[in-house]
Amino acid sequence: QTVVTQEPSLAVSPGGTVTLTCASSTGAVTSDYYPNWFQQKPGQVPRALIYRTSNRHSWTPARFSGALLGGKAALTLSDVQPEDEAEYYCLLHYGHFWVFGGGTKLTVL
Amino acid sequence: QVQLVQSGTEVKKPGASVKVSCKASGYAFTNYGVTWVRRAPGQGLEWVGWINGYNGHTSYAQKFQGRVTMTTDTSTSTAYMELRSLRSDDTAFYYCARDIDHEIDYWGQGTLVTVSS
Repeated sequence: QTVVTQEPSLAVSPGGTVTLTCASSTGAVTSDYYPNWFQQKPGQVPRALIYRTSNRHSWTPARFSGALLGGKAALTLSDVQPEDEAEYYCLLHYGHFWVFGGGTKLTVL
Repeated sequence: QVQLVQSGTEVKKPGASVKVSCKASGYAFTNYGVTWVRRAPGQGLEWVGWINGYNGHTSYAQKFQGRVTMTTDTSTSTAYMELRSLRSDDTAFYYCARDIDHEIDYWGQGTLVTVSS
């Protein structure tokens, strides 16, 4: 069974920077896993942030960036705003199926 | 503008089936796929499966194989997800999302499916 692992929770101060990671049980995450990142706030529909590792959607603020880091997919939030408090999910592609990570609950203190 | 509008809340008994629809507008339906995702209470997002809007090819998560069927009606730009033999742990919000070339962008508003006796 393929498992995608994210940090369960992280905390950051407003104006700070935080990096969320996404690891695969199959080994190092590469661009061939086409990482996508999503944000979901309570009671809301998930919102797409990043696709194919590092591409922002037209609505994604520039303070969100995606990359590969140390064999994992990574989402970095810079100049964190209070409204960035949410759950963040990565999604990895495995040929014929996708798997979500367990999600990271980001708290902005 | 791109919109995905899903059907309304469903309440089903264990063992029943549910069929959720996702009507697309604002783009060429057959140029994209539709991904289905669910979120159960207290759980994270879960990928259910995908259907190609052009040729109807599908891919399902292994845990749903044999219980789920995804279809499309290109004449109405609508995607459907049917889940059979419902159990209480299928209670969740079900979402459709537009998908092209490993990019998932626009999402439907979600459909709450409650399975309860």
